[in-house]
Amino acid sequence: AQTVTQSQPEMSVQEAETVTLSCTYDTSESDYYLFWYKQPPSRQMILVIRQEAYKQQNATENRFSVNFQKAAKSFSLKISDSQLGDAAMYFCAYRRNSGGYQKVTFGIGTKLQVIP
Amino acid sequence: DGGITQSPKYLFRKEGQNVTLSCEQNLNHDAMYWYRQDPGQGLRLIYYSQIVNDFQKGDIAEGYSVSREKKESFPLTVTSAQKNPTAFYLCASSHISANRGSNNSPLHFGNGTRLTVT
Repeated sequence: AQTVTQSQPEMSVQEAETVTLSCTYDTSESDYYLFWYKQPPSRQMILVIRQEAYKQQNATENRFSVNFQKAAKSFSLKISDSQLGDAAMYFCAYRRNSGGYQKVTFGIGTKLQVIP
Repeated sequence: DGGITQSPKYLFRKEGQNVTLSCEQNLNHDAMYWYRQDPGQGLRLIYYSQIVNDFQKGDIAEGYSVSREKKESFPLTVTSAQKNPTAFYLCASSHISANRGSNNSPLHFGNGTRLTVT
């Protein structure tokens, strides 16, 4: 069964600094997607970034980038130039992409605090 | 605008009553999902459906039921058998494809329903 582990319940970062959130996963599949979602206090889930497992190049979206290590089953999120609006819960998620049933599994989340 | 609508935003019920949470999408997505969110436990999958008239149990299906009679709708019933029903419930949808590089879409979420059972 696929599992997603986020080992940092809470993190804090100074405004304008860089922070990295960790995520590891367990799967026997070779073809899958990984996602990072942000959930601000409004509780709306917002997609931050996604990575396709067959692509070696790490995904980037403006200030957000990932470090995808397929062999280590690691998928960390780096937030550069942190802003106050980045304060939120961040969830890592996994989805297989090889046909059949494709349930999406989430980690328990990391609460990010941004200090002015 | 296309999106996912969950209603109501807040729902209150007495213990022992069944309650149905609504989820409608106009994104023409094949797959729909129900998650439960509790503090410190992330999002846990209750049920999901990839095609009309078919659905699969997630990790915590006990005490819940769903139907998928239309592509656009995926209502969740919280039955009296669910021991701890008070929670925040999120519905989501996505395209689905087995093709590599098909831009398999991520989940799009509704705004959630906060259910309180007393």
